[in-house]
Amino acid sequence: GENVGLHLPTLSVQEGDNSIINCAYSNSASDYFIWYKQESGKGPQFIIDIRSNMDKRQGQRVTVLLNKTVKHLSLQIAATQPGDSAVYFCAENIGRDDKIIFGKGTRLHILP
Amino acid sequence: SQTIHQWPATLVQPVGSPLSLECTVEGTSNPNLYWYRQAAGRGLQLLFYSVGIGQISSEVPQNLSASRPQDRQFILSSKKLLLSDSGFYLCAWRLQGNTEAFFGQGTRLTVV
Repeated sequence: GENVGLHLPTLSVQEGDNSIINCAYSNSASDYFIWYKQESGKGPQFIIDIRSNMDKRQGQRVTVLLNKTVKHLSLQIAATQPGDSAVYFCAENIGRDDKIIFGKGTRLHILP
Repeated sequence: SQTIHQWPATLVQPVGSPLSLECTVEGTSNPNLYWYRQAAGRGLQLLFYSVGIGQISSEVPQNLSASRPQDRQFILSSKKLLLSDSGFYLCAWRLQGNTEAFFGQGTRLTVV
């Protein structure tokens, strides 16, 4: 379900280090999962997605891992940069309903 | 190219007043349309989604309603606003079968 009532947790990472952002989902009927990045005062932007029949997908500087056994999703950002500062949301697509449900977000803070 | 327009960007309304937020999409046909609300420092809550003209699915019972009078127009309304309706309202679209959703810039609503 959605934890929309909870304040966002913060992950602080040194510039240049790798960041790992985690997400738990609840719906077994989700057919794919998406990561979004939201900068302050703006709408979310698509980063990467992964189908439910995959366990890993790589993009430019980002990797998404999916563990269906424990319903866990993670986003790895390599060599974190100041421009990566944002709130990151995982989302699941409920195929039969064609709706997108967002999970609890994580604020990524980059230390100089 | 496809674009999504949301207006107004900010809105201050008194309690009990009506609300109408409009979202339009250009450059595509028959998109899925979504309305989300985001409270300050929190996650995105799906309010309504639509897979076609006149087809509205409501996710959260409340004093808001949505309508889709035209293929690329999605309207969020209320007859009487409550203080708890304050938040950042985001409209999004995507094509059926595609994973990426595109968000508008949002409307920041403050009910006073």
